[in-house]
Amino acid sequence: TQLLEQSPQFLSIQEGENLTVYCNSSSVFSSLQWYRQEPGEGPVLLVTVVTGGEVKKLKRLTFQFGDARKDSSLHITAAQPGDTGLYLCASKEYGNKLVFGAGTILRVKS
Amino acid sequence: NAGVMQNPRHLVRRRGQEARLRCSPMKGHSHVYWYRQLPEEGLKFMVYLQKENIIDESGMPKERFSAEFPKEGPSILRIQQVVRGDSAAYFCASSPPERGASETQYFGPGTRLLVL
Repeated sequence: TQLLEQSPQFLSIQEGENLTVYCNSSSVFSSLQWYRQEPGEGPVLLVTVVTGGEVKKLKRLTFQFGDARKDSSLHITAAQPGDTGLYLCASKEYGNKLVFGAGTILRVKS
Repeated sequence: NAGVMQNPRHLVRRRGQEARLRCSPMKGHSHVYWYRQLPEEGLKFMVYLQKENIIDESGMPKERFSAEFPKEGPSILRIQQVVRGDSAAYFCASSPPERGASETQYFGPGTRLLVL
C-alpha cells in the first residue's frame, strides 16, 4: 500500500495570507486527488491530477503535480475563513480503493 | 440529483450491541465503498462492493464486521458486538460503472458511531 505523507499537519493563518500544503510519496502516483472535508461532513473532491508537471487552477486554489509524479502541492492565494477545513490527498490503488494521507488541518482566522 | 445518502448521521451504541449503517448511492451508481475515519487518523478503506458482490474487503476487520449491497435497497455496513475502539466516522462513497477508466468516488456525509 502506498504511503502518502502530508505536511504540515496543522496550519493557522490570518485571512488574506497565502499558504501551501504538500503531499509526498516514496513511490509514483498513477493519479492524485485532493479533497476538502469540513467538520461533520464527508470529503469533497477538489481536483484530480494525472500528468507529471500538471498545474490546475480552481479559483484561488492552484494544484501542482510533480514531474516525477511522487509529490503534489496545493497553494491557496488570499485565504478566506471559508477555506477552513481538512485538506486530504489521495491516490487510487488497484481495485479502485483510495489511499489517503493524514491530512492538513487549515484554520483561517478573520 | 441527490448525492450519496447515509443514515443515521449519528449512532450511539453500548458495548456488545450491534450497529447497522446504511448507504444509498447516487442514482445510476452501482459501486459502493466504505471507509472509516478514526480520531486522529486519516480515512482508511474498508470494503468495495458492487450489486450483490463483494469485490475487495481487504480493509475490513476479520471479525464482527460485514457488508452487503443487495440488488434492491441500500448498502449496509454491520458491526456486531461493538467495542469502544469502533467509535469512528464511517463514510460511504459511490461511483458509476467503470468505462475503461477509474471513476470518481463521491462521498456521503458519514455516520458518526459512538460506543459507550
